[in-house]
Amino acid sequence: QKEVEQDPGPLSVPEGAIVSLNCTYSNSAFQYFMWYRQYSRKGPELLMYTYSSGNKEDGRFTAQVDKSSKYISLFIRDSQPSDSATYLCAMTTREGAQKLVFGQGTRLTINP
Amino acid sequence: NAGVMQNPRHLVRRRGQEARLRCSPMKGHSHVYWYRQLPEEGLKFMVYLQKENIIDESGMPKERFSAEFPKEGPSILRIQQVVRGDSAAYFCASCLLGGTEAFFGQGTRLTVV
Repeated sequence: QKEVEQDPGPLSVPEGAIVSLNCTYSNSAFQYFMWYRQYSRKGPELLMYTYSSGNKEDGRFTAQVDKSSKYISLFIRDSQPSDSATYLCAMTTREGAQKLVFGQGTRLTINP
Repeated sequence: NAGVMQNPRHLVRRRGQEARLRCSPMKGHSHVYWYRQLPEEGLKFMVYLQKENIIDESGMPKERFSAEFPKEGPSILRIQQVVRGDSAAYFCASCLLGGTEAFFGQGTRLTVV
């Protein structure tokens, strides 16, 4: 069993829709959770960074962490074609420790 | 302020040759991480270095792979006697000591023919 499971998709939604992306994990020691966006042939860029359980909002993006269920989510509101990319969840056990464990990534397409 | 620079962007090697991948971290960053991304897979941690020191190499294959981050110059990921299974995108990330955000480079895409 992988430490981090993420549905690879592909996921295709119309412009303006709310997108929900999810990951589950098995290691209860994970404390820090991240979402990265990766455009084709580019490096990942950090979107959201959260610690422990709860919600964090940044513009159109909301990250949720439920440690009791070992489940994290990223919501994208008012989705735009420019949001089309692969979204990777990542997590680590210690702050400042960038030995990240990544999910497989979900390929998202927003259709105009 | 230039980001993390990786070169070359694309590298083609024949089986048995050596591959050298270079990474220059962001200015002021003293920590470098290398990750490998196989087709249709997420990134897998390989090695964590600070200048002149390997902190964690638990993700490195035991043979043929090595990494260094000298006092001067870029970090180097070296793959000896490459095989087809080494074909992948190799990403470097850098961060400040204790930093919470790792900044990734554009990657080097290695193809072994």
